[in-house]
Amino acid sequence: QVQLVESGGGVVQPGRSLRLSCAASGFVFTNYVMHWVRQAPGKGLEWLAVISYDGNNKYYADSLKGRFTISRDNSKNMFYLQMNSLGADDTAVYFCAKFSSSGYYFDYWGQGTLVTVSS
Amino acid sequence: QSALTQPASVSGSPGQSITISCTGTSSDVGNYNLVSWYQQHPGKAPKLMICEDNKRPSGVSTRFSGSKSGNTASLTISGLQAEDEADYYCCSYAGSSTYVFGTGTKVTVL
Repeated sequence: QVQLVESGGGVVQPGRSLRLSCAASGFVFTNYVMHWVRQAPGKGLEWLAVISYDGNNKYYADSLKGRFTISRDNSKNMFYLQMNSLGADDTAVYFCAKFSSSGYYFDYWGQGTLVTVSS
Repeated sequence: QSALTQPASVSGSPGQSITISCTGTSSDVGNYNLVSWYQQHPGKAPKLMICEDNKRPSGVSTRFSGSKSGNTASLTISGLQAEDEADYYCCSYAGSSTYVFGTGTKVTVL
């Protein structure tokens, strides 16, 4: 069955960087568009970024101001979110999500990894 | 990329029907038939309930239905059950390969 497992979260100081990973299994990873979504404590979902099946096309939420970079390694069934210049408002649970092959919606989600930005 | 507007909370008694609205603009909700709805229980990942405005994925209860009129999409839950108590989020394609979620609605079963 489809599984998405995030890792790399933790406590990081303001201004520092962190890389999140998402391990995918149970489907042909190279055929699917993948996304990152986050949720600040007690807040709603926020779409962050998307990467095409081959990694050649990447799009981001304007709010990220160029601080985050999405990437993927199809040979390892992994994709990533590099986060730079982290601030307190980046504190959130970060979810990776798989896009459906037939439409513009998220059909599977990981359980999320918590990133806490604090000194 | 402003968040779509949802009511903060909606409540109903078991067996009743409730409707959650999701208001966007002509650049997102009103321009594409690509609104999806997600249910999220506390501490859990979101779960797809409705896609492409009004399509129900396999395995989702027929009590859940979606619709749209202009810039506002809606999720209706019929025959409300205790297990439906959760947060619900709409999401729309917003053009240029970007997406936007709604502000979220907490559904309470009285």
